[in-house]
Amino acid sequence: GAVVSQHPSRVICKSGTSVKIECRSLDFQATTMFWYRQFPKQSLMLMATSNEGSKATYEQGVEKDKFLINHASLTLSTLTVTSAHPEDSSFYICSARGPPARAGGHEQFFGPGTRLTVL
Amino acid sequence: EDKVVQSPLSLVVHEGDTVTLNCSYEVTNFRSLLWYKQEKKAPTFLFMLTSSGIEKKSGRLSSILDKKELFSILNITATQTGDSAVYLCAVEKGNKLVFGAGTILRVKS
Repeated sequence: GAVVSQHPSRVICKSGTSVKIECRSLDFQATTMFWYRQFPKQSLMLMATSNEGSKATYEQGVEKDKFLINHASLTLSTLTVTSAHPEDSSFYICSARGPPARAGGHEQFFGPGTRLTVL
Repeated sequence: EDKVVQSPLSLVVHEGDTVTLNCSYEVTNFRSLLWYKQEKKAPTFLFMLTSSGIEKKSGRLSSILDKKELFSILNITATQTGDSAVYLCAVEKGNKLVFGAGTILRVKS
């Protein structure tokens, strides 16, 4: 149980285009999902917290108009990188807060990540 | 500013060795400390620690938290090549996780 999927796993796009990444909790409902970015040989940096049915909370320095987050259902959150540029190339990972039965809901389950390359 | 510092940054050992990875933190509103193993893709959960002095074990891995000194260690005994990975420490602060930079462990056969 507690599986999180991401789609696509890899995407290559041209500069100026928009890219949508989906994050799904497959066997549990997730009212809260998180989006992280990870640059090579660096740790995960939290970009935003996505709450079902409400606006996302962005971390300092993350442009909300550039990284659009939608959490329209209890099993799906999407991250759209708008007008992508080469510096947006990174590994994007989502996570979902697990069900209360698992570690009191404290545990986060991570998706497999999406490798974005912007040419 | 919240900080999670891991050491060493990288480590190379031989199969059978025992390793200790360190994680120190300065985070307000601490709720728990978590250890993850990251191979090629997403991190996989190892341990969650909330109380000082209580060791958690899973096979050859064990971990303990010291909330007075604000650190945790992750021990791996009898290392195997399959233990090669990045080990991430994260502190749960309120609703979110603050990650350390990770320790890259390479186990040579």
